[in-house]
Amino acid sequence: GAVVSQHPSRVICKSGTSVKIECRSLDFQATTMFWYRQFPKQSLMLMATSNEGSKATYEQGVEKDKFLINHASLTLSTLTVTSAHPEDSSFYICSVGRGREQFFGPGTRLTVL
Amino acid sequence: AQSVSQHNHHVILSEAASLELGCNYSYGGTVNLFWYVQYPGQHLQLLLKYFSGDPLVKGIKGFEAEFIKSKFSFNLRKPSVQWSDTAEYFCAVNAEGGYQKVTFGTGTKLQVIP
Repeated sequence: GAVVSQHPSRVICKSGTSVKIECRSLDFQATTMFWYRQFPKQSLMLMATSNEGSKATYEQGVEKDKFLINHASLTLSTLTVTSAHPEDSSFYICSVGRGREQFFGPGTRLTVL
Repeated sequence: AQSVSQHNHHVILSEAASLELGCNYSYGGTVNLFWYVQYPGQHLQLLLKYFSGDPLVKGIKGFEAEFIKSKFSFNLRKPSVQWSDTAEYFCAVNAEGGYQKVTFGTGTKLQVIP
C-alpha cells in the first residue's frame, strides 16, 4: 500500500484569503496524486489529477485558477484554494495512485467564514 | 467514461441482521472494483477490492462482495452486522489499464441499531 498524510487536518479562514493544503506520500514515491472534494453527506468528486513535474489535469467544471495544484516532488502535492469563499467550504481529500488502486489521506476540513 | 450507482442511500438495520448493499457500474471495458467505508469523522478505508479471478472477494471485518460481470454489479454483503458497522459505504470503480482514476458511487449510509 501507501501511507498518505495531509496537513492541516482542519483550517478556518476568512473569505477572500488563500489556503494551502499539503498531501504527502510517506512511504512511496508517487508520480500521480489525486485531489477530491466531498460535500457533507455526499460522495467524493474528483477535482484533479496531479502529475509530478507537469501540470495537473482538472476535471470538467473545476476552476484551475481557483484550485492551484503543484506536484513539485514525488512525495508532495499541494492544493491552494485561492480567494476562498464560503461555498468552497468542504472536505478535501488527496490520494496516491499505486498499481491498480489509490490510497487515501485523512482529509482536510476547510471552513471559509 | 465510467459511472457507478448505489441504489440504497440510507439503510437501517438491527444488530445481527444481514446486509446487502447494491452497486452497479457502467463501463464497456475491464474494471477494477472497490468498496470503501467511512466511519463517522474518519477517513476512507478500503474494505475490499476485486481485480480478477474469483468473483467472490472477502474483505476486512467480515465483509464480502460478489462481482457479477453479466449484471455489471459488485454488491457488498455481511451476514450479521454490528453496531460498529454504522458508517457510510462507497462503491468505486476504475478502468483496468487506466491511470488509476477512480469513480465513486453516491454512497450508502448504514445505521445499525443495537
